[in-house]
Amino acid sequence: QKEVEQNSGPLSVPEGAIASLNCTYSDRGSQSFFWYRQYSGKSPELIMFIYSNGDKEDGRFTAQLNKASQYVSLLIRDSQPSDSATYLCAVIPSGAGSYQLTFGKGTKLSVIP
Amino acid sequence: EAGVTQSPTHLIKTRGQQATLRCSPISGHTSVYWYQQALGLGLQFLLWYDEGEERNRGNFPPRFSGRQFPNYSSELNVNALELEDSALYLCASSLSGRGDTEAFFGQGTRLTVV
Repeated sequence: QKEVEQNSGPLSVPEGAIASLNCTYSDRGSQSFFWYRQYSGKSPELIMFIYSNGDKEDGRFTAQLNKASQYVSLLIRDSQPSDSATYLCAVIPSGAGSYQLTFGKGTKLSVIP
Repeated sequence: EAGVTQSPTHLIKTRGQQATLRCSPISGHTSVYWYQQALGLGLQFLLWYDEGEERNRGNFPPRFSGRQFPNYSSELNVNALELEDSALYLCASSLSGRGDTEAFFGQGTRLTVV
């Protein structure tokens, strides 16, 4: 069973702080990793994807990948109340065709003004 | 540029009936993916269509089926509806099914089975 695990939260951070979201995955052969943001009642919105070990930065967001530890994280700097949402970690497992994502259940983030 | 569009936005059906959900991918995208998001279960992969063919399916019974049309739009059919089929059904599309391109989600169809 290829699984993606996330803490369900809620994770509460004050406005302006760094929010750190974590994800582990079971399939060591996974190659592609994604972070989606989902507001309540809405569809997931892609924030970032990362394929290589290390950090990838995009504005206030930084994705970190450690394949040896099977761990991927998302840092949100200068958190804003509008960042309050559920963050979904997703993986394309080995052997999957293309964009068949395996999702974690998501971490609910609450940014307190 | 229009995004992924799904219809209807809401659908209420009675147990045992059939439901048909539709998805139009982003122009130029040939791959369409269907996911189910049931309460408490997270997003589960249902089906993948590419170039008109079903390429793979997730761990769902055969009463979940679909097809992709020549214009790459897609239809998801759920037969013999059960109460636990109540969920948000999401469609996503990407370029030619390559895992190194982004997939974009539609706004979903909320299916309620009563």
